[in-house]
Amino acid sequence: GEDVEQSLFLSVREGDSSVINCTYTDSSSTYLYWYKQEPGAGLQLLTYIFSNMDMKQDQRLTVLLNKKDKHLSLRIADTQTGDSAIYFCAERDTGFQKLVFGTGTRLLVSP
Amino acid sequence: DGGITQSPKYLFRKEGQNVTLSCEQNLNHDAMYWYRQDPGQGLRLIYYSQIVNDFQKGDIAEGYSVSREKKESFPLTVTSAQKNPTAFYLCASGGTQSNTIYFGEGSWLTVV
Repeated sequence: GEDVEQSLFLSVREGDSSVINCTYTDSSSTYLYWYKQEPGAGLQLLTYIFSNMDMKQDQRLTVLLNKKDKHLSLRIADTQTGDSAIYFCAERDTGFQKLVFGTGTRLLVSP
Repeated sequence: DGGITQSPKYLFRKEGQNVTLSCEQNLNHDAMYWYRQDPGQGLRLIYYSQIVNDFQKGDIAEGYSVSREKKESFPLTVTSAQKNPTAFYLCASGGTQSNTIYFGEGSWLTVV
């Protein structure tokens, strides 16, 4: 079955770049997603990448996909204190169209 | 505004009671989903529906029930059979042909 793994915690200083990593197992995944969750709130879709792409850039966010290693990363440039949140990686299976989530990475940005 | 609306935001349930969480979307999405999130953990899929009048069990369906009588609505009932219902419940929707899945703001359920 599908499985998505993330590191649990990342701490950076304001202005630095953050890189959050994710590995997945389902080679048939069509789309891979990054969501952001602030305390007590729902999930905000940040960006997604189609499985036939290697990279996608959207303002401060850069997604890199290594299909061979089934590795996905999210880079946040010039990280701000407002970026402190939990970041979830998710894969979308082709068969049932549902999302399978990782456990989330808690990003803490210090001034 | 377009989006997904979940209600209530906070709900308290007594032991042995059934409660229903509402999820409504005006995005014209075919697919809708219910996820459960426990503190410090990821999301687990309860039920999903790809079309009206059809739904499938997710990974943790026991003790829950759903209906999909209208495209816009996908209510979740937490039954008394659910042994540990205290959690944060998230509803989502997405077009079956589109790339994006959006989430509501969630509902907190506490058993008292």
